[in-house]
Amino acid sequence: EAGVTQSPTHLIKTRGQQATLRCSPISGHTSVYWYQQALGLGLQFLLWYDEGEERNRGNFPPRFSGRQFPNYSSELNVNALELEDSALYLCASSRSGRDTQPQHFGDGTRLSIL
Amino acid sequence: ILNVEQSPQSLHVQEGDSTNFTCSFPSSNFYALHWYRWETAKSPEALFVMTLNGDEKKKGRISATLNTKEGYSYLYIKGSQPEDSATYLCAFIRGGADGLTFGKGTHLIIQP
Repeated sequence: EAGVTQSPTHLIKTRGQQATLRCSPISGHTSVYWYQQALGLGLQFLLWYDEGEERNRGNFPPRFSGRQFPNYSSELNVNALELEDSALYLCASSRSGRDTQPQHFGDGTRLSIL
Repeated sequence: ILNVEQSPQSLHVQEGDSTNFTCSFPSSNFYALHWYRWETAKSPEALFVMTLNGDEKKKGRISATLNTKEGYSYLYIKGSQPEDSATYLCAFIRGGADGLTFGKGTHLIIQP
């Protein structure tokens, strides 16, 4: 079975621009999670989508947003980019919206803000 | 803000030796604890999801225990091999609809 795929692998933007990151979950998985790993920090929970709805978001400003499409793929949008948004963004999927299921991660998008 | 602590931060172990490390998390309102292995240049891989106090899980040479009352989990690796070199992450979830809160990980290096 194909794993979680993310695109692009790398993304370079300047301050104030907008970035869109994409994620395709494993077939049959309805939940998609987004995480940020900034330098020196652990993985920080950003957003959780399940069945097309935003179920929860982490402690991030509103300029981090996203959506989940009918085929369960997902986009993460970051507006008004700031230097501290430079990070690895990981997407994960799971079979259901309950957190007793393991999450399966993609390889990530490395976002660099100049 | 939830605090998930992992210790030690890094660990060097001789090939063939056994080792263990710790994940500490808030003991109140526990829902589940996840363990992941993250090898360099790869994506995190799920090892275990643990939900019950006293739970023990095993996958090959790797096992984990859970104590929800005191808020800790141990990960054990028996007979370490070079392919065990990775960062091991634990992630806690409390009751409710929160996402996973990850620790910073234990970076394990197996020396031949």
